[in-house]
Amino acid sequence: AQSVSQHNHHVILSEAASLELGCNYSYGGTVNLFWYVQYPGQHLQLLLKYFSGDPLVKGIKGFEAEFIKSKFSFNLRKPSVQWSDTAEYFCAGLKGAGSYQLTFGKGTKLSVIP
Amino acid sequence: DTGVSQDPRHKITKRGQNVTFRCDPISEHNRLYWYRQTLGQGPEFLTYFQNEAQLEKSRLLSDRFSAERPKGSFSTLEIQRTEQGDSAMYLCASSATSGRFYEQYFGPGTRLTVT
Repeated sequence: AQSVSQHNHHVILSEAASLELGCNYSYGGTVNLFWYVQYPGQHLQLLLKYFSGDPLVKGIKGFEAEFIKSKFSFNLRKPSVQWSDTAEYFCAGLKGAGSYQLTFGKGTKLSVIP
Repeated sequence: DTGVSQDPRHKITKRGQNVTFRCDPISEHNRLYWYRQTLGQGPEFLTYFQNEAQLEKSRLLSDRFSAERPKGSFSTLEIQRTEQGDSAMYLCASSATSGRFYEQYFGPGTRLTVT
């Protein structure tokens, strides 16, 4: 079955530290991958997406992610986090070509300490 | 755009009661989705509409759950004979049918508590 897994449940960083959140998928064929963020008290927002082409995708607020097909990974990165990045981050994938059913990982809670 | 809206934001009900939630998608979006999120988990897909047609349903959507989108605009999700296991956040999302059609925009959710 197609699935998306996130390695870390809770990550705690100091401001200015670099961030990398892991995400692995188990899809074959066409792969469409996303990172969503949920700030405290707010709804899910799309950070970035990968459909095809350049495996390094850039999103909002200085986030980027790299699609590595050989590793079935789509890790999220940010070189220097801020306290305002405190949120829960979800990796998600589309089930396959022609489907719009997003499959989410369990999420990673990021706490940034000032 | 005004974003996806959901009503109510919170619902507390007793086991065995029926509940209905409403979702209003972004106005120009033809696709509408329902997800359920429980504590410590990511959202799980329930069902999806394109206009008024319900095109995909998850096996999570038992026969106590029904969703409609009668005029291709707002949608309702009804849960009959609620059970404590139905306690969750119910999320609605919408997307376009052209351009950025894979991007799903989420609403704030309806938090259901079944006592």
